[in-house]
Amino acid sequence: DVKVTQSSRYLVKRTGEKVFLECVQDMDHENMFWYRQDPGLGLRLIYFSYDVKMKEKGDIPEGYSVSREKKERFSLILESASTNQTSMYLCATGTPYTEAFFGQGTRLTVV
Amino acid sequence: QKEVEQNSGPLSVPEGAIASLNCTYSDRVSQSFFWYRQYSGKSPELIMSIYSNGDKEDGRFTAQLNKASQYVSLLIRDSQPSDSATYLCAVNRENTGNQFYFGTGTSLTVIP
Repeated sequence: DVKVTQSSRYLVKRTGEKVFLECVQDMDHENMFWYRQDPGLGLRLIYFSYDVKMKEKGDIPEGYSVSREKKERFSLILESASTNQTSMYLCATGTPYTEAFFGQGTRLTVV
Repeated sequence: QKEVEQNSGPLSVPEGAIASLNCTYSDRVSQSFFWYRQYSGKSPELIMSIYSNGDKEDGRFTAQLNKASQYVSLLIRDSQPSDSATYLCAVNRENTGNQFYFGTGTSLTVIP
């Protein structure tokens, strides 16, 4: 079974902090994605990566950056956390034509 | 126009009834289609995938795809209270680096 593991299930951070969300997959998938999910807005793509050191902006990249130094790991960075970044963050992986496999999600609260 | 549109609901059906969930997509080059179930506070889990026109059945679930109408649906037969969740429709397109496009989800409640 594909395993996608996010580093934290719940996080509470202060405004202005730099926040790292880590995602690790064990199935050698090329593609990795970061989404945030908010009530009524659905899943919105922040960034995705289709190869090591490659990244593409999604629909809402502002205030975020990503890093993919190894194929299995895709990190989302909030450069300076703000309260409007309080959300559920979901990492997913996939290969062409297959479904997206999701991690368990990280509920981030910025206070 | 949104890439993927779903009726947000909420949709309520009695236990044992058929629940019908619908989804339309905007880009004709979409190639792969998925239905996910998401319980409150949890991450989405795959229910069905469908790649060609027609019906695909798996247990109580049937996915239907009509590429000409750009329409995909999910039928849940003999609905159970445990089916109460939000259902997300997703499409995948090769020409955008295999990005997934998600609808905002339909909330389903199965009433015992």
